[in-house]
Amino acid sequence: EVQLVQSGAEVKKPGESLKISCKGSGYSFIRYWIGWVRQMPGKGLEWMAFIYPGDSDTRYSPSFQGQVTISADNSISTAYLQWSSLKASDTATYYCARRPVDNYGSDTFFFDYWGQGTLVIVSS
Amino acid sequence: QSALTQPASVSGSPGQSITISCTGTNSDVGGYNYVSWYQQHPGKVPKLMIYDVSKRPSGVSNRFSGSKSGNTASLTISGLQAEDEADYYCSSYTSSNTYWVFGGGTKLTVL
Repeated sequence: EVQLVQSGAEVKKPGESLKISCKGSGYSFIRYWIGWVRQMPGKGLEWMAFIYPGDSDTRYSPSFQGQVTISADNSISTAYLQWSSLKASDTATYYCARRPVDNYGSDTFFFDYWGQGTLVIVSS
Repeated sequence: QSALTQPASVSGSPGQSITISCTGTNSDVGGYNYVSWYQQHPGKVPKLMIYDVSKRPSGVSNRFSGSKSGNTASLTISGLQAEDEADYYCSSYTSSNTYWVFGGGTKLTVL
C-alpha cells in the first residue's frame, strides 16, 4: 500500500527555521517525483516544488523559489521541505504528494497519493 | 490570483448533474491534455478524481467525468449525492515558467 506520512504540526516564531518531512512507503521512492503543495487557511491549493529522489532534480514554482528548499534522503525514503527564516505568512497546511510516471516512464502531471498534511503555525 | 479560473461556487440538488469549469490559456489547459481534478472535503486531504482531462483513477465513481474544449476544462458530476459536497480544484501543466498551476477552487453545495 502506497503511503506518504508527514511529520507533525509545528508552532514556530517568525525568523525561526523549520524542516518538515514526508516519508514514502509501499513503492520505489527514488522512481517517483514528490511535490509539495501549500494551503493557507481557508484558501486554495498552491504548487510549490518538486523533487525527483532518483537524481535530486528539483523544480520550484517562481512564487516559492528562494523562499523554501526541498531535499530528499533516499536511505530513509523521506522528502523534506525547509525554511531558513519563517514569516507569519508561511502559516498554512503543507501537503506532500506523489507524482507518478506513466507506463512508458514519461512524466505525468497529476498527484495520485497525498500525505496527511503538516500544519505550520508561525506566530510571535 | 490563480492561473486557472474556476467559479467560486456551484450548487445542485441530489440526483441532478452539475459542471464545474476551469478556464486557462493556450499555454496550459488549451495546449496540453494534462488537466487533473481534485476533491477536498473540509479538513481532509485532496483526492484525485480525474487526470489527463478525462481519465478516472481506479476506485473513483463513474459519476465523475472530465472533458475539455479549447481553453476550458470541465468536471461533470452526475447523479449528485450529499457526499459530493466538497471543494474541487483543477490543475494543469503549463509551458510558462510556472510549470504547474491550480485553479482557485470551487465549492460545491448539494442542496
